[in-house]
Amino acid sequence: QQPVQSPQAVILREGEDAVINCSSSKALYSVHWYRQKHGEAPVFLMILLKGGEQKGHEKISASFNEKKQQSSLYLTASQLSYSGTYFCGTPEGPSNTGKLIFGQGTTLQVKP
Amino acid sequence: DAGITQSPRYKITETGRQVTLMCHQTWSHSYMFWYRQDLGHGLRLIYYSAAADITDKGEVPDGYVVSRSKTENFPLTLESATRSQTSVYFCASSDPVGGNNQPQHFGDGTRLSIL
Repeated sequence: QQPVQSPQAVILREGEDAVINCSSSKALYSVHWYRQKHGEAPVFLMILLKGGEQKGHEKISASFNEKKQQSSLYLTASQLSYSGTYFCGTPEGPSNTGKLIFGQGTTLQVKP
Repeated sequence: DAGITQSPRYKITETGRQVTLMCHQTWSHSYMFWYRQDLGHGLRLIYYSAAADITDKGEVPDGYVVSRSKTENFPLTLESATRSQTSVYFCASSDPVGGNNQPQHFGDGTRLSIL
């Protein structure tokens, strides 16, 4: 079952912060985050493993709460380059197939 | 250069025609994937391959066929294209070492329009 992302879209001014959430009704084994700029391919940002580990990429960090079956992506002091669509992806099960199920995406627009 | 390449980048065809989208990667990744991306649906898995000659259906496989005779190539064929298959198609690969904890690397996509 597809993870659910919220919000669907967000508009920010440069320098503002944003949080994107990814929730699942199934057990989460790990969570991947990708960013896709308009007209381009999705690009891997980070992976969150069990244990609530936080990771960072530029001024973007994320957390993973396996008990709540959710992950959150934190974008701090947004830059124009952060604009794009953010996807979370979760393994479909515990087996190591490499397959991910992606959320529907959250579109982020950063304005000057 | 190492990477994953898709061809063609753009394709316009007519309903009923057969069309093949190509995907080539130079990392020797065992895992390869085909996705379609439509507004409101995110990335949906069409087919998956764990290795050469091993393929499996994904979430939306109807109307598509894949083959994988060599590790580096994973073509996707629409046997008789329909308008509902108008979409952006992405190929991806990942390293099986580390399984689900490896990132997927995406090609630039093929924008397919079926008239």
